[in-house]
Amino acid sequence: ETGVTQSPTHLIKTRGQQVTLRCSSQSGHNTVSWYQQALGQGPQFIFQYYREEENGRGNFPPRFSGLQFPNYSSELNVNALELDDSALYLCASTLSYSNYGYTFGSGTRLTVV
Amino acid sequence: LAKTTQPISMDSYEGQEVNITCSHNNIATNDYITWYQQFPSQGPRFIIQGYKTKVTNEVASLFIPADRKSSTLSLPRVSLSDTAVYYCLVGDKDGGATNKLIFGTGTLLAVQP
Repeated sequence: ETGVTQSPTHLIKTRGQQVTLRCSSQSGHNTVSWYQQALGQGPQFIFQYYREEENGRGNFPPRFSGLQFPNYSSELNVNALELDDSALYLCASTLSYSNYGYTFGSGTRLTVV
Repeated sequence: LAKTTQPISMDSYEGQEVNITCSHNNIATNDYITWYQQFPSQGPRFIIQGYKTKVTNEVASLFIPADRKSSTLSLPRVSLSDTAVYYCLVGDKDGGATNKLIFGTGTLLAVQP
């Protein structure tokens, strides 16, 4: 059991730029979800992928997009970064989307300046 | 959309039992209720999951009434290391096949000696 790993751990970007965050899910977990957690707030659901297809999305604009790959890795892409995008981005995986026993990574701290 | 609310904070002493309640109206009828623990600068960690009545594992119990509009996480004999933020997580079906995952507002538990 390797857990969930995210890269990079910290990132600084300029407003208007694009960023790609990466996640390696636990082996065998075919469901991955991404969350944004602002300082002092709870995680906010961005979207979820099941077997490489998006099967759930929170209230985030289209400039937040993702991909899931057959090797249990996934990406979160954010275009046209805004200052309010500064947050901890968390990736989590589980065996099935009906099981909410997610394993979370430690997150990527994104700072937009 | 499902809305989940929790007390902002709770104080306790070592060795006491702590009960944290989450109110969740309009949750998906067939989804689990899950609780997580989060320490600063870390991803949430799974504690317990249930669908109805009572579930117990080696670290906690979860009580869910018949109407499933709330749930109570019970931590027996807390220690200093249980000081953390606790979140409930529920699913909210939007009428289709997609899922939205809603974290509660979070409860900061402070355990004192």
